[in-house]
Amino acid sequence: EAQVTQNPRYLITVTGKKLTVTCSQNMNHEYMSWYRQDPGLGLRQIYYSMNVEVTDKGDVPEGYKVSRKEKRNFPLILESPSPNQTSLYFCASRTGSGKETQYFGPGTRLLVL
Amino acid sequence: KNQVEQSPQSLIILEGKNCTLQCNYTVSPFSNLRWYKQDTGRGPVSLTIMTFSENTKSNGRYTATLDADTKQSSLHITASQLSDSASYICVVNQAGTALIFGKGTTLSVSS
Repeated sequence: EAQVTQNPRYLITVTGKKLTVTCSQNMNHEYMSWYRQDPGLGLRQIYYSMNVEVTDKGDVPEGYKVSRKEKRNFPLILESPSPNQTSLYFCASRTGSGKETQYFGPGTRLLVL
Repeated sequence: KNQVEQSPQSLIILEGKNCTLQCNYTVSPFSNLRWYKQDTGRGPVSLTIMTFSENTKSNGRYTATLDADTKQSSLHITASQLSDSASYICVVNQAGTALIFGKGTTLSVSS
């Protein structure tokens, strides 16, 4: 079954404690991205990757890091989380053509105290 | 500025009724337009994708239309069901890779 998986699904942490949210896809997609979703603001892109070792900033990259060492994995790293990073996070993937369906993961709900 | 505006922001309808959601965009250059359905707390799921040359595309009870001249799209839901209660997001793919997201319309279907 084609899918995007994220872990963990729920996370409560404290300010400054480094965390990583993993994302994996089994569709051999070139393009992967991370979004955050906040009430009233919709989905906003954090980072994206067009292929292995190729990453770029989206609309709201501050406070986040990513890496793309393998095609299937695209982890999101918060080096020093702050309360304003409390949000619902989605990973997504699609083919590089841009004309195909983008598949979203189930979401990770993060609370930073 | 590249923008996608959706209306209404929220909508309440009775089960069995039809409804239409609107999407206006100013994205250029245009590649395609997508409609997603997002259930509360879950990831968006693709309903339709339309390119410049497509005027209408259906997916079951969902029918999307596109007028590339006026830069408008609509999503029509026929014979609504309780399970249609969700947020509906319009997304325009700017030629290249960028996806421009609307803020969504929240639909509530009541019995």
